[in-house]
Amino acid sequence: QVQLQESGPGLVKPSQTLSLTCTVSGGTISSGSYYWSWIRQPAGKGLEWIGRIYTSGNTNYNPSLRSRVTISLDTSKNQFSLKLSSVTASDTAVYYCARYSSSFDPWGQGTLVTVSS
Amino acid sequence: DIQMTQSPSSLSASIGDRVIITCRASQSISTYLSWYQQKPGKTPKLLIHAASSLQSGVPSRFSGSGSGTDFTLTISSLQVEDFATYYCQQSWSIPLTFGGGTKVEIK
Repeated sequence: QVQLQESGPGLVKPSQTLSLTCTVSGGTISSGSYYWSWIRQPAGKGLEWIGRIYTSGNTNYNPSLRSRVTISLDTSKNQFSLKLSSVTASDTAVYYCARYSSSFDPWGQGTLVTVSS
Repeated sequence: DIQMTQSPSSLSASIGDRVIITCRASQSISTYLSWYQQKPGKTPKLLIHAASSLQSGVPSRFSGSGSGTDFTLTISSLQVEDFATYYCQQSWSIPLTFGGGTKVEIK
């Protein structure tokens, strides 16, 4: 079965770029009609969809973050990545990657990213 | 953006109780609605998709209903492992949006 695992720095300085990678195992990222998504959750708060990338490379982003977000696909490594630029403390959250068709399933275990100097 | 409003934001219930959580969309989303369960420190888990379709492996005490703007998640007989926070999520339009969550606590 498909499994996802996030990786990347747990601490990012303000104004810098947050970079995370999601590695997909148990399946090929380029097969099937799936979107590969990023979602975040600040501590004690709800879920916010960041954006998604289709197997073709087409992307959709949350308008609230669009100017700062880039999601890309590396089919050779079976990975997809998130870059969020100009981060501030409000970007501190657990970041999840997930596969999406009409729902998010499965999810990665999540990785905490703290923005602090 | 489509706003998803859940009610209540929290509730207290006893083992064996019937629990109903509602989710209202700010515009019609047909049946493009999913429900997730999240336990503290854990990843959200898909329970229901397409408003009423039970995800494989999810106990049958969970059920979903509704279409258009009003949806419900029902737990027919609350079990100890069901104490968690529940989120609805719409897939009708971008940006994909979640409800604010409903925390189910032990009475």
